[in-house]
Amino acid sequence: GQQVMQIPQYQHVQEGEDFTTYCNSSTTLSNIQWYKQRPGGHPVFLIQLVKSGEVKKQKRLTFQFGEAKKNSSLHITATQTTDVGTYFCAGEGGANNLFFGTGTRLTVIP
Amino acid sequence: DGGITQSPKYLFRKEGQNVTLSCEQNLNHDAMYWYRQDPGQGLRLIYYSQIVNDFQKGDIAEGYSVSREKKESFPLTVTSAQKNPTAFYLCASSISGQANYGYTFGSGTRLTVV
Repeated sequence: GQQVMQIPQYQHVQEGEDFTTYCNSSTTLSNIQWYKQRPGGHPVFLIQLVKSGEVKKQKRLTFQFGEAKKNSSLHITATQTTDVGTYFCAGEGGANNLFFGTGTRLTVIP
Repeated sequence: DGGITQSPKYLFRKEGQNVTLSCEQNLNHDAMYWYRQDPGQGLRLIYYSQIVNDFQKGDIAEGYSVSREKKESFPLTVTSAQKNPTAFYLCASSISGQANYGYTFGSGTRLTVV
């Protein structure tokens, strides 16, 4: 079946350091989405990437979609304590439903 | 304000009991989904529905049942056949079953078997 793996599983950074999480799919994706889940909260949609090689930015967050549309990354520049949470990527499966990656839990040390 | 409401927030179930988790949305979304999240893990799809009166099994449907009698509502029943039901349950919806618009999630129900 379709699988999306994310690395690392956990990441601890000092406030102000950069952070990157990587997402790899076993199959070519039509698009990829990213979600953020704060501790004790629910996933919140951040962005969708559709085109091969696409790069999108949201303030300190940079999202990339690989040329082969099998991998993606999320990079946060100069992390802040408000960035803590688990970041999930998600690819579109059959019948328009999403299959989620395993997530990367980010801890920011003040 | 539009959104998805899940209730209750916390639920305790005795072994052998069936329990029903509520999910209501006022976003006029056609598609609704149920996911299960275990500690430190990702989201696994239980059931989904693209339209009223129709639903499909996801990856881990065994021990669960759903209904979709109204567009706004997609309740999930955790039956006694579900051997390990303790988990965080998330309901989501999307526009016209188009995943590429992003999912809107409810705040979740934390189910514990006692």
